Amino acid sequence: EMQLAESGGGLIQPGGSLRLSCAASGFTVSNNYVTWVRQAPGKGLEWVSFFYVGGSTSYADSVKGRFTISRDNSKNALYLQMNSLRAEDTAVYYCARVNIGRSYAFDIWGQGTLVTVSS
Amino acid sequence: EIVLTQSPGTLSLSPGERATLSCRASQSVGSSYLAWYQQKPGQAPRLLIYGASSRTTGIPDRFSGSGSGTDFTLTISRLEPEDFAVYYCQQYGSSPPKYTFGQGTKLEIK
Repeated sequence: EMQLAESGGGLIQPGGSLRLSCAASGFTVSNNYVTWVRQAPGKGLEWVSFFYVGGSTSYADSVKGRFTISRDNSKNALYLQMNSLRAEDTAVYYCARVNIGRSYAFDIWGQGTLVTVSS
Repeated sequence: EIVLTQSPGTLSLSPGERATLSCRASQSVGSSYLAWYQQKPGQAPRLLIYGASSRTTGIPDRFSGSGSGTDFTLTISRLEPEDFAVYYCQQYGSSPPKYTFGQGTKLEIK
């Protein structure tokens, strides 16, 4: 069964840094496109970052320059390094698989990890 | 940047009724890159429809998607109790690669 599991969330002060992890099972991150999506409390979904062809990356304007997506093929894991965190970054962060054969839709999702930015 | 606007914000219907959810884009979207997701409280989103009209594996045929250009629709032909949730549309733009979600439609029991 293909699964994703996020970890690393928690309470962090404004201006701080946090690294989220996403462990994949049942498929390899090296052969797939993967992405991060977040959801602020009581709000809708916001796309954050995307790891795609040839190891290229893409970011939402709201996080560009502060967040970095990466992966470790040996651990079959995806990461999101978040720096200069702001209160508006408070959200549940999901990792998801991008299925190219499904028109680049997100077909597998993790359960999410909560990041709270507050003093 | 393409903005997706979903309507209505909330839809109140009874089980057995037909639900029609709208997603309108601020500029033309490649039909291949329009998807719909369902999200229940405390759960991750679940992919329902990709390519505007293709159901993904395991999605009942009461769910259908249609549309092109700037106007897309998700239809649930006969609502089951488990269908009451929030629904999001999403588009993918390849130059540069970016995604946009609509703000969501909450489908609630009347």
